[in-house]
Amino acid sequence: GQNIDQPTEMTATEGAIVQINCTYQTSGFNGLFWYQQHAGEAPTFLSYNVLDGLEEKGRFSSFLSRSKGYSYLLLKELQMKDSASYLCAVRDWDSSYKLIFGSGTRLLVRP
Amino acid sequence: DTGVSQNPRHKITKRGQNVTFRCDPISEHNRLYWYRQTLGQGPEFLTYFQNEAQLEKSRLLSDRFSAERPKGSFSTLEIQRTEQGDSAMYLCASSYQGGAGSSYEQYFGPGTRLTVT
Repeated sequence: GQNIDQPTEMTATEGAIVQINCTYQTSGFNGLFWYQQHAGEAPTFLSYNVLDGLEEKGRFSSFLSRSKGYSYLLLKELQMKDSASYLCAVRDWDSSYKLIFGSGTRLLVRP
Repeated sequence: DTGVSQNPRHKITKRGQNVTFRCDPISEHNRLYWYRQTLGQGPEFLTYFQNEAQLEKSRLLSDRFSAERPKGSFSTLEIQRTEQGDSAMYLCASSYQGGAGSSYEQYFGPGTRLTVT
């Protein structure tokens, strides 16, 4: 079966750091993605991990542990515009490369 | 390139009617995916195309759903005899797979929000 778990909601303060966790149990694994989605808009790509470790890109970092089926997205120096849903997705192992998404974490950044 | 585009952005229809959505992928992207997203959930895979060939369909895609990608360019998703349970956001994504320049990233369009009354 396919199961991807994320917290439903998180709240953080502008300027702070927040970590959004994602655990997965999937029949195959070919990479893990994080997308950001503002209400009513398309998901936009944030990060991709296929090997264990930390990938850093500006204010955003993503970590992967394949043995633990675990990833997190770290957002630093939070800005009000970071209020959005954050989607964790596992890419299927077969040739389709389709994405299997979690339900998303709705992040609210407060002043 | 302006990215993935979808039309219409919103569609309200009565139960039992047929609807068709269009997706224009990023040019030269050979893969095109359709996903469905309901409120508070992540997108769920429906089907995908490699060029003009439809290679996989999810069990979510009942016989009332059909998708095409003639000539490997734009794609259409048709829902026949719509039901209230079909109300959702239908997202299209494209990517380039294979050979030099292969992308691991799927680029999403803004989606078509369907409301069935």
